[in-house]
Amino acid sequence: DAGVTQSPTHLIKTRGQQVTLRCSPISGHKSVSWYQQVLGQGPQFIFQYYEKEERGRGNFPDRFSARQFPNYSSELNVNALLLGDSALYLCASSLPGQGTYEQYFGPGTRLTVT
Amino acid sequence: GQSLEQPSEVTAVEGAIVQINCTYQTSGFYGLSWYQQHDGGAPTFLSYNALDGLEETGRFSSFLSRSDSYGYLLLQELQMKDSASYFCAVRDDQAGTALIFGKGTTLSVSS
Repeated sequence: DAGVTQSPTHLIKTRGQQVTLRCSPISGHKSVSWYQQVLGQGPQFIFQYYEKEERGRGNFPDRFSARQFPNYSSELNVNALLLGDSALYLCASSLPGQGTYEQYFGPGTRLTVT
Repeated sequence: GQSLEQPSEVTAVEGAIVQINCTYQTSGFYGLSWYQQHDGGAPTFLSYNALDGLEETGRFSSFLSRSDSYGYLLLQELQMKDSASYFCAVRDDQAGTALIFGKGTTLSVSS
């Protein structure tokens, strides 16, 4: 079975631009979460979606937005990019009813803002 | 708010045993998870404790004391491939089932 997939793998943008990151969860997983990981830190929660509805949002500015599609894939959008947005963006999916303890992470998208 | 504290670095030699501690503060507790992340890779789930006590999975064990808001990950018979970052995590009460991670402990295993 395929794991969580994310695209693109790497991305270089300039300040002020907009970026869209994509995630496909494991088949059968209806919950998708997005995390930002800055070098040397743990993943920081950005958004969670379940059954196409936002179920939670971390402490991130409104420049960050996300959505989930009927096939449970998800997109994370970041507008007006800042240098500080440079990070590894991770997507994680989980089974409904499994609880929170096991999330399956994708390989991430490495975003560099110059 | 919620927070987790864990040591930033731990070093050990092959074959040794190492313990990575984690203390947490959270308004509602639903269990403590541990994840492993190799350089440039995705975090992978290692273990979960909802109740007090020790959970063993092969060379890795995890312990939880809810009264002390404390847990640890125990790695035995260390191998070079265990060199990685290890994160403890709890559920974010404000965000469905999302996780709050500690800053991570970098484990370096030498021969």
